[in-house]
Amino acid sequence: DTAVSQTPKYLVTQMGNDKSIKCEQNLGHDTMYWYKQDSKKFLKIMFSYNNKELIINETVPNRFSPKSPDKAHLNLHINSLELGDSAVYFCASSPLSGGYSYEQYFGPGTRLTVT
Amino acid sequence: GENVEQHPSTLSVQEGDSAVIKCTYSDSASNYFPWYKQELGKRPQLIIDIRSNVGEKKDQRIAVTLNKTAKHFSLHITETQPEDSAVYFCAASKTGGFKTIFGAGTRLFVKA
Repeated sequence: DTAVSQTPKYLVTQMGNDKSIKCEQNLGHDTMYWYKQDSKKFLKIMFSYNNKELIINETVPNRFSPKSPDKAHLNLHINSLELGDSAVYFCASSPLSGGYSYEQYFGPGTRLTVT
Repeated sequence: GENVEQHPSTLSVQEGDSAVIKCTYSDSASNYFPWYKQELGKRPQLIIDIRSNVGEKKDQRIAVTLNKTAKHFSLHITETQPEDSAVYFCAASKTGGFKTIFGAGTRLFVKA
């Protein structure tokens, strides 16, 4: 059973298009995240959601709009794609018990290429 | 703002040698320090973590040490093997846990 899954795995699109990435976790975790990993492998947090509510929005352009229909899903919609959006996007989830941080479980990543 | 610095960016060792990766964090409220390993084309996966109430933790060939006063923590890998070759990330977060700050990563090469 895949713990955190993302679709699609690869996404190639042209500048100006709109695209979505879907993420699902079957671990029963309360908290989900989106990360962007650029070509230099730097992992930067974009959004954190807890129980479907947005907690962290890390100065991400408003062309990026996350949506959490329920605790198990966190989708990412990107409008008007730009060349600089090319990266690998990772979804992750973690339990949050008593406010303490725990291990994050990452999805397989979505490699987005904007041409 | 919150920051985690990680050194070195690249580390090359001979099989069987030890490897040490060092990180420094800026937010003194940080109390959870995980280390993730990312193999080429794969997702990051936790290899070890430490909380601020302990100074050292060991799991077979991997150990992590924490110096809260200096705001340093380090990953030690002994008897390195070629399969240890990967990018390693240190990270820090605090109670509340909604934001984890990652270091820039260390690319470890283990030469057979």
